[in-house]
Amino acid sequence: DTGVSQDPRHKITKRGQNVTFRCDPISEHNRLYWYRQTLGQGPEFLTYFQNEAQLEKSRLLSDRFSAERPKGSFSTLEIQRTEQGDSAMYLCASSERRGRGNSPLHFGNGTRLTVT
Amino acid sequence: GESVGLHLPTLSVQEGDNSIINCAYSNSASDYFIWYKQESGKGPQFIIDIRSNMDKRQGQRVTVLLNKTVKHLSLQIAATQPGDSAVYFCAENIGETSGSRLTFGEGTQLTVNP
Repeated sequence: DTGVSQDPRHKITKRGQNVTFRCDPISEHNRLYWYRQTLGQGPEFLTYFQNEAQLEKSRLLSDRFSAERPKGSFSTLEIQRTEQGDSAMYLCASSERRGRGNSPLHFGNGTRLTVT
Repeated sequence: GESVGLHLPTLSVQEGDNSIINCAYSNSASDYFIWYKQESGKGPQFIIDIRSNMDKRQGQRVTVLLNKTVKHLSLQIAATQPGDSAVYFCAENIGETSGSRLTFGEGTQLTVNP
């Protein structure tokens, strides 16, 4: 399968714990995105990388959240001191940069986080 | 069957009928639009996209129509099948300067009855 891969698929943690998620994008894609989705809502943008550079962060991304893409390939999203409001599906997507135009984002199947 | 907008979250059609899912987007500066299909427990799956210099684009069994005058986007699915049952999201992007950030609508739940 050459699609976007996310690990783990599910994570249950207690409030106050730290969690880390991993995303492996489609190999030829240089752009990588993190989104968050709560039940019944569309995905909300969190942050995006072009190669290893984090170019944009949403105001949704509090200082408890940090994302990295150290070698321009896989990415990790860490949430420190988790809160119940962090419970959501965390989606990763990747795309290729096509000259001056946009290209569609291809999403993984997400990591569902439950904070108890 | 046809949805009337973001405030009608469900659409139920009979197998074989055509479906029309509507979306009102918010930003007149948006220049790229995508429709995604999301099945339960899965991530959004790309269906079709359209740039603002076009008003219609066709794919396999799907057609996207863009009306920039009223900021309206629609997805037409021909001969709807049970496998089309899912939540459908439209998404908009303001262009390269926005870093390809997509803003998603609320979604429409499509149910196809056999």
